[in-house]
Amino acid sequence: EDKVVQSPLSLVVHEGDTVTLNCSYEVTNFRSLLWYKQEKKAPTFLFMLTSSGIEKKSGRLSSILDKKELFSILNITATQTGDSAVYLCAVDGKNYKYIFGTGTRLKVSA
Amino acid sequence: SAVISQKPSRDICQRGTSLTIQCQVDSQVTMMFWYRQQPGQSLTLIATANQGSEATYESGFVIDKFPISRPNLTFSTLTVSNMSPEDSSIYLCSVARDRAEYEQYFGPGTRLTVT
Repeated sequence: EDKVVQSPLSLVVHEGDTVTLNCSYEVTNFRSLLWYKQEKKAPTFLFMLTSSGIEKKSGRLSSILDKKELFSILNITATQTGDSAVYLCAVDGKNYKYIFGTGTRLKVSA
Repeated sequence: SAVISQKPSRDICQRGTSLTIQCQVDSQVTMMFWYRQQPGQSLTLIATANQGSEATYESGFVIDKFPISRPNLTFSTLTVSNMSPEDSSIYLCSVARDRAEYEQYFGPGTRLTVT
């Protein structure tokens, strides 16, 4: 059965800290891995990763994929209170279907 | 990315009634999807809305409970029928512009509470 596992489930850090969120997966017909940020209802797209070892970067956020070990990490440096959210990892597998992990709830305290 | 709107943004409904949720996109897209997010849970795909044909449902979801329409390439509806409190969730539509574009973009969601 296809599955996506995220860790940790929740995390509390202080402003300025660096955090690393983990996503491991077991799916058939892997096409891509995606990261989303969910603050209220709608997940907003962060990154899509298809190739191993190529870092995607956007401001203080970066992500990388390891297709051999079947995992990805999302790094956030110099965290701010606005980074508080649930971070979702999804894998695009067979027939364009996304399989989501349970998410990591990040709280950044001032 | 596409601009996606959903109506209603939230609703409180009585047990046994039905609610239709609308999803409108500002440009034509090939793929439209409907997801459910139950309280404290992650997103689960309900179905893929196919333009001009019946939706493709995931295991555990059936057309009688969640009928879906997709009359054109910019609009879809999801109906939650004969609701029970277990249907209380956030319902989200998402779109992908074409089959070569992997990333899906999500609408703002509909928060449904069934009493």
